[in-house]
Amino acid sequence: GDSVTQMEGPVTLSEEAFLTINCTYTATGYPSLFWYVQYPGEGLQLLLKATKADDKGSNKGFEATYRKETTSFHLEKGSVQVSDSAVYFCALKSSNSGYALNFGKGTSLLVT
Amino acid sequence: GAGVSQSPSNKVTEKGKDVELRCDPISGHTALYWYRQSLGQGLEFLIYFQGNSAPDKSGLPSDRFSAERTGGSVSTLTIQRTQQEDSAVYLCASSLDPGRGPGELFFGEGSRLTVL
Repeated sequence: GDSVTQMEGPVTLSEEAFLTINCTYTATGYPSLFWYVQYPGEGLQLLLKATKADDKGSNKGFEATYRKETTSFHLEKGSVQVSDSAVYFCALKSSNSGYALNFGKGTSLLVT
Repeated sequence: GAGVSQSPSNKVTEKGKDVELRCDPISGHTALYWYRQSLGQGLEFLIYFQGNSAPDKSGLPSDRFSAERTGGSVSTLTIQRTQQEDSAVYLCASSLDPGRGPGELFFGEGSRLTVL
């Protein structure tokens, strides 16, 4: 079945460091891919998305490119801030998973 | 309301008791989802509603779990005879008609359930 695998955390970085959180997926067909973020004490919220191969989603300085050849959707940010400390979830939606999103296990990021 | 509202925010119960968790989605959102977030397990899909019907109940972990939605709005997730392994944060999300594309899910802050 469809699934998402993302790197385990926690990830600890200094302010202004470069961030990469890896995400790979397994799906038939052409899924849509998402990154959601959960700040402390808040609900999950959409960070960015990409709906077809080679699309780049971007928001708040974060970027991720939909790579069909490597089945990946890695999240990157050039210079993280303390306020980026949160849990990041990679997710996919495909026709085979009905209308629900399949989420990865989440990666905790702490910026100090 | 402006966002997805869930209640209670925290619930502590004794093993064997029944619990009800409520979700009030964003007005106008026809789709509603329940997920469970357990430590180290990520988000586990439980059930999806389109209007008042549930075309996908595949994620409900056992027959102790049930959910309903009335008036195309509020949903209740019921767990009967709770067990300690039911302890988790139960998340509700809503979205516009998902059949129109990969729409964004809007999540509530969750209901944290602790079964003693």
